[in-house]
Amino acid sequence: GAVVSQHPSWVICKSGTSVKIECRSLDFQATTMFWYRQFPKQSLMLMATSNEGSKATYEQGVEKDKFLINHASLTLSTLTVTSAHPEDSSFYICSVPRWAGVPGELFFGEGSRLTVL
Amino acid sequence: KNEVEQSPQNLTAQEGEFITINCSYSVGISALHWLQQHPGGGIVSLFMLSSGKKKHGRLIATINIQEKHSSLHITASHPRDSAVYICAAHRENGNQFYFGTGTSLTVIP
Repeated sequence: GAVVSQHPSWVICKSGTSVKIECRSLDFQATTMFWYRQFPKQSLMLMATSNEGSKATYEQGVEKDKFLINHASLTLSTLTVTSAHPEDSSFYICSVPRWAGVPGELFFGEGSRLTVL
Repeated sequence: KNEVEQSPQNLTAQEGEFITINCSYSVGISALHWLQQHPGGGIVSLFMLSSGKKKHGRLIATINIQEKHSSLHITASHPRDSAVYICAAHRENGNQFYFGTGTSLTVIP
């Protein structure tokens, strides 16, 4: 079964609204989760590293006030796209590394396709 | 320059052909991952390698740590193998992962 659950799998919203995407680790506790963005026919682009109990680490060029990340528990991280605009339309995907057991094993959510009208 | 380079970017093969996708990296790593992304977007981890070779069904992954190079091979390719294959380097001594740009594979019946 799935190790990481991401929700919603797709969302359509109006320009100016905010959208929240959830990433849940189902099998193990995760102090770290990664959030990526992927444009059509391009590879994954790391947006930020979500850290449980502390602030997220954002990659250069990613607006932290635009993409709010909250990692409130060891099994849940959320990405909120605030005041979404059409250029924010993209495929967002999270991944969860497992540091215990087999270190560095990486599990991905199913992804969330966001369309902003 | 990207920390991880993949080649080729696009690959079309006839069903049954042997396929090789290459990945070179420039950072020190603790592991190298091969990922498969299907058209729907979901990503599956195929292999995690730190040395040598791993085999799973028709898929084989190899890594040469000294040369900082890894290859993914698909034997007896099938149309259902059509997907984007991505290599990702897990940087040693840290949480960082670096991703290649992906290889889009199309296997024609």
